[in-house]
Amino acid sequence: GNSVTQMEGPVTLSEEAFLTINCTYTATGYPSLFWYVQYPGEGLQLLLKATKADDKGSNKGFEATYRKETTSFHLEKGSVQVSDSAVYFCALSGTTGGKLIFGQGTTLQVKP
Amino acid sequence: GAVVSQHPSRVICKSGTSVKIECRSLDFQATTMFWYRQFPKQSLMLMATSNEGSKATYEQGVEKDKFLINHASLTLSTLTVTSAHPEDSSFYICSARGRDPYEQYFGPGTRLTVT
Repeated sequence: GNSVTQMEGPVTLSEEAFLTINCTYTATGYPSLFWYVQYPGEGLQLLLKATKADDKGSNKGFEATYRKETTSFHLEKGSVQVSDSAVYFCALSGTTGGKLIFGQGTTLQVKP
Repeated sequence: GAVVSQHPSRVICKSGTSVKIECRSLDFQATTMFWYRQFPKQSLMLMATSNEGSKATYEQGVEKDKFLINHASLTLSTLTVTSAHPEDSSFYICSARGRDPYEQYFGPGTRLTVT
């Protein structure tokens, strides 16, 4: 079945450091890929998405590229801020509008 | 942006009682809502998909008679945990799908503790 694997956290960085959170997936066909972010005390929010191979999703300085050859969708940001501290979830959907399958989440802590 | 609310945010109940959790889309109509369960330091696990006016579709291993889902309107879905037991204690999260089929809007979650 479809699955998503994320790097374990927590990830602790200093402000302005470069961020990478690894995400790989297993799926049949051509899934859509997502990154969601959950700030403390809030619900999950869609951060970015990519719906086909080689697409790059981007938002708020974060980027992720849909790599079918390596079945990966790694999240990157060039310079993190304290306000980026949150839990980040990688997810996939096997069909348009279908159910989401989540990775285990990665906690990011950014220190000033 | 689209907002989804959940009520209550926290609930404590005694073993054997039933608890109802509401999920509302506040500024959009949602034909489809999803219910997830999240264990500490673990991922979200989809429990069921709820379509307005029809029966919910439950994921394998989820007891439909224990977790009753009703989606009576385009803005409200409810999850009732019947005859709750301590192992049902968890964080329950709903989401609603709007016009964009790729995007789900998530509620803030409900922490259920069964004593």
